[in-house]
Amino acid sequence: DIVLTQAPLSVSVTPGESASISCRSSKSLLSSKGITSLYWYLQRPGKSPQLLIYQMSNLASGVPDRFSSSGSETDFTLKISKVETEDVGVYYCGHRLEYPLTFGSGTKLEIK
Amino acid sequence: EVQLVESGGGLVQPGSPLKLSCAASGFTFSSNWLNWIRQAPGKGLEWVASINPDGSSTYYPDTVKGRFVVSKDNAKNTGYLQMNNLRSEDTAMYYCARTSSFDYWGQGVMVTVSS
Repeated sequence: DIVLTQAPLSVSVTPGESASISCRSSKSLLSSKGITSLYWYLQRPGKSPQLLIYQMSNLASGVPDRFSSSGSETDFTLKISKVETEDVGVYYCGHRLEYPLTFGSGTKLEIK
Repeated sequence: EVQLVESGGGLVQPGSPLKLSCAASGFTFSSNWLNWIRQAPGKGLEWVASINPDGSSTYYPDTVKGRFVVSKDNAKNTGYLQMNNLRSEDTAMYYCARTSSFDYWGQGVMVTVSS
């Protein structure tokens, strides 16, 4: 099974500043079709998760462009520019390369 | 507007069955994958099952394989998760989600397995 390791466990950010979250995969997430199968989700407190980023770097519909993602085949970074209070929650990375599908353990973002 | 609404959760005893439903609207259900993901209290996300658009292929992790069965009725725009021989470790919020990207999620339904 592919293991996704997220860091840090939690991050505290002042509004208006930036935050970065790392996700490292135990296996290359580059598919034979040339797509990097890495996804980012945000779960706000008491809510269902929502898709932020698909295929490593594509912004999902309705997601503000303060969110961006980049990486290689195994190391990925989600960056949130100009953090706002609505960004509070737990961020998860996940892959769709093969079964079983797995998620990282999550990174909690808090506001200072 | 895309909507997914889960139902069927509740409190059951270990070893019991339970069937969850996921009612879909606002998109062409028959053209989309359907997935189930669960979240134990205070824990992270765990993928539970996926089914392809026409229902001909299903996928499960080893933790539920042989006990859970995912299905979809494209005529009723509804997906299902039949859970058999439930264990205490199956206690979780269960979400259905659309497509291989999990681009839309339902609000979730709680399943508690306890004697």
